Amino acid sequence: GAVVSQHPSRVICKSGTSVKIECRSLDFQATTMFWYRQFPKQSLMLMATSNEGSKATYEQGVEKDKFLINHASLTLSTLTVTSAHPEDSSFYICSAPLGPGQTQYFGPGTRLLVL
Amino acid sequence: ILNVEQSPQSLHVQEGDSTNFTCSFPSSNFYALHWYRWETAKSPEALFVMTLNGDEKKKGRISATLNTKEGYSYLYIKGSQPEDSATYLCASAPSYNTDKLIFGTGTRLQVFP
Repeated sequence: GAVVSQHPSRVICKSGTSVKIECRSLDFQATTMFWYRQFPKQSLMLMATSNEGSKATYEQGVEKDKFLINHASLTLSTLTVTSAHPEDSSFYICSAPLGPGQTQYFGPGTRLLVL
Repeated sequence: ILNVEQSPQSLHVQEGDSTNFTCSFPSSNFYALHWYRWETAKSPEALFVMTLNGDEKKKGRISATLNTKEGYSYLYIKGSQPEDSATYLCASAPSYNTDKLIFGTGTRLQVFP
C-alpha cells in the first residue's frame, strides 16, 4: 500500500515557540492532504485541507494564522504551529488520498507537548 | 444522527471469539464510509471503503456491511486473534466532491490469548 511519513513523531517545546510538522507521501503524488488533530478520548477532527500550489482551506474554528500550512510540492505538506501554547498540545496527524474518492493513507502522527 | 458514532467504546474478548462493532452516521449526508485499523504508534491502516447500500466487503477474517438508508455499518471479526488488538475507526465522507472525512471516536478492541 501507499506510504505517508510524518516527522517528527514527538516534540516538546516551550510556550511561544513555533513547531513545524512535515507530512510526505513517499510513493505517490498527493495534490491534496489533510491535517487532523486529536485530543484525548476524542475523535480525529479535521483542521484543514492542504492544496498543492494554492492556499489551504481551514475548518470552522481553526485559526489560519496560528496553523500555517504549506503544500509546495506534490509529496510534501507542512503544518507550522506558530507561537505554540499549552492548549495546542495534542496529537496531529496527516492523510493523503491516492486520488479523488479513494482510500486515504495516514502518517503515524506527531504528538506535540507545549510546556 | 448528526455525528459519526461508534459503539462500543471498548471491547475485551478471548482469542477465538468472534466480535462485531457498529458505526452510525448521518444517512442524509453520505457519500462513502471508511473503516480503519489503528495500532498504537503506527499509522491507521485502511480496511474498507464502501459506498453502496447493501455493500459487503471482506478482508481475511474481517468483514463489513453498509446500510446507507438507516445510516449504519457493522464491522465483524471472525475468530479474533491477539494481533487483531487495535482501535477500529470508521469515518463518513459526506460528499462526492471532497475527500473530507468525519471520524467516530473508535472502538478499542483487546483480544486476550
